[in-house]
Amino acid sequence: AQSVAQPEDQVNVAEGNPLTVKCTYSVSGNPYLFWYVQYPNRGLQFLLKYITGDNLVKGSYGFEAEFNKSQTSFHLKKPSALVSDSALYFCAVRDRRRGSQGNLIFGKGTKLSVKP
Amino acid sequence: SQTIHQWPATLVQPVGSPLSLECTVEGTSNPNLYWYRQAAGRGLQLLFYSVGIGQISSEVPQNLSASRPQDRQFILSSKKLLLSDSGFYLCAWSAGTGANVLTFGAGSRLTVL
Repeated sequence: AQSVAQPEDQVNVAEGNPLTVKCTYSVSGNPYLFWYVQYPNRGLQFLLKYITGDNLVKGSYGFEAEFNKSQTSFHLKKPSALVSDSALYFCAVRDRRRGSQGNLIFGKGTKLSVKP
Repeated sequence: SQTIHQWPATLVQPVGSPLSLECTVEGTSNPNLYWYRQAAGRGLQLLFYSVGIGQISSEVPQNLSASRPQDRQFILSSKKLLLSDSGFYLCAWSAGTGANVLTFGAGSRLTVL
């Protein structure tokens, strides 16, 4: 089955500390992986994606994510968190099943709270 | 550049009333279009997607329907709203699938009373 798991409902980090938001996936074939961020009462914004190549992907607002094929993970990271990073983060994988339209499968989201 | 517009931003409707949410995309042609619902500020549920005019695929059976009367217009409708239809509705578009990024509108908050 094609799926995405975000094991943490909430992550709390102090401002200035590094942050990690976890994501694991299950998909047939090579995965196309994405991270999105959602601020309150807003649509989702694209942060970064992994298609192929370098396992460390750099994206918007200083975020990066590391693709780990052996662990089927795509964790989102940032070296130094800001209070303004507080938001809901979604991991997603492209559905690669035959007959699908390649729609994105989203995780349930992780709420990141950065305290001053 | 491409932009996506979604309206109304907020809607309060009585049970049994009709619904129409509209989404339009500018600056591209033949986009894939999507309607998602987000309940309780969390997970996203894909409701409908469209790969062309008049082509609608439904992911889950429900009280809602979608239509694509023009290339860059996607409408979400209901004839009679239920309480359970309350939620945050998001329209999105992509240039095909594969590695292409999904771009979302700002969302429409529907409250059914």
